[in-house]
Amino acid sequence: NAGVTQTPKFQVLKTGQSMTLQCAQDMNHNSMYWYRQDPGMGLRLIYYSASEGTTDKGEVPNGYNVSRLNKREFSLRLESAAPSQTSVYFCASSAGGVNIQYFGAGTRLSVL
Amino acid sequence: GIQVEQSPPDLILQEGANSTLRCNFSDSVNNLQWFHQNPWGQLINLFYIPSGTKQNGRLSATTVATERYSLLYISSSQTTDSGVYFCAVGGGSYIPTFGRGTSLIVHP
Repeated sequence: NAGVTQTPKFQVLKTGQSMTLQCAQDMNHNSMYWYRQDPGMGLRLIYYSASEGTTDKGEVPNGYNVSRLNKREFSLRLESAAPSQTSVYFCASSAGGVNIQYFGAGTRLSVL
Repeated sequence: GIQVEQSPPDLILQEGANSTLRCNFSDSVNNLQWFHQNPWGQLINLFYIPSGTKQNGRLSATTVATERYSLLYISSSQTTDSGVYFCAVGGGSYIPTFGRGTSLIVHP
């Protein structure tokens, strides 16, 4: 049972490049989330998907887009990466609403 | 939105010591979770505790929702307890708010 799987684990981009972070869960969860973690800031919600077919903005959505591809997969896209997007990105899922969340291992992204 | 404050921000212990971490929140919540982030960055859910008391081995947690705080107790700390402890709370929406965490270092 893999839980929540994120790819890639590490990525270096140049300013202006685009990329998609992938997330998949195998727990049949309804809700999925994307967070970013910066030093001293805790985790901040970028986007979430309460259920398949819906997505909503979180606290820091600017510069990002998401796609809930199906119940298992929730991707995060950076269309034109900026140095301010250097961070560690976490995907999480939960059965529904804000109950127990399970996190992926994270993607460490550097934008030069 | 809900404000979450965790204290202390940093904590250094000798192995075997006990500690209490606190999470204060600004509004009524119906969800509260405690997480441990290990030194490799992995986030593990410790407790889902919107109210009441739970225990899991050397760790226990208490949430007093009416007074808007939660406490995480670590007894007989071990070096493997090192890392950052986060509290995350949620109200009626799907948007959980994380505190900034308590960084714990346990020395052998």
